Amino acid sequence: ETGVTQTPRHLVMGMTNKKSLKCEQHLGHNAMYWYKQSAKKPLELMFVYNFKEQTENNSVPSRFSPECPNSSHLFLHLHTLQPEDSALYLCASGLVEFDEQFFGPGTRLTVL
Amino acid sequence: AQSVTQPDIHITVSEGASLELRCNYSYGATPYLFWYVQSPGQGLQLLLKYFSGDTLVQGIKGFEAEFKRSQSSFNLRKPSVHWSDAAEYFCAVAARGGGNKLTFGTGTQLKVEL
Repeated sequence: ETGVTQTPRHLVMGMTNKKSLKCEQHLGHNAMYWYKQSAKKPLELMFVYNFKEQTENNSVPSRFSPECPNSSHLFLHLHTLQPEDSALYLCASGLVEFDEQFFGPGTRLTVL
Repeated sequence: AQSVTQPDIHITVSEGASLELRCNYSYGATPYLFWYVQSPGQGLQLLLKYFSGDTLVQGIKGFEAEFKRSQSSFNLRKPSVHWSDAAEYFCAVAARGGGNKLTFGTGTQLKVEL
């Protein structure tokens, strides 16, 4: 696989479920990002990890819990979500030294 | 903090016609500037970027953009649109030396009429 991959591509979950989104990059990058894309709203940066360390948490509710075990993998753990959390969740990677980012295809999340 | 405005939510053009998508930014200095494209159900693909140098930037798929400091703009252009260009286009900015964070506009949805 090349580029940035995300699994699953689609996820439907109830408000009491716990699930995880996975992102993997094969580009040798040292920074990874989670974004939320809702209809009619700009992309919202959620978290930034540089060299596996979290450097940005953009006031994200604690029901979203990121994990970055190494520079190639990024997870977003989800629990007790709300229907308004339904959105496309995009992962991106890049180099800390530059601002260009490469995006995965996203996970379409629906919370019932 | 920087911000981005894409004033056109929807644009419709005929195939073969020229295209210009507008992007204005707010930032105290010259930022890094980007255009991304998103097809339905897909992630964002980088079309082109401006970091410094020549203010006319060439990108993939025949797109180009021109940085105009005096107008705080970075408009995207294509001389002849193809039906496959129908997608959503996002302009983004990043502060120089301000960390690796992008600020995106709300996007412009492009429809191409055959």
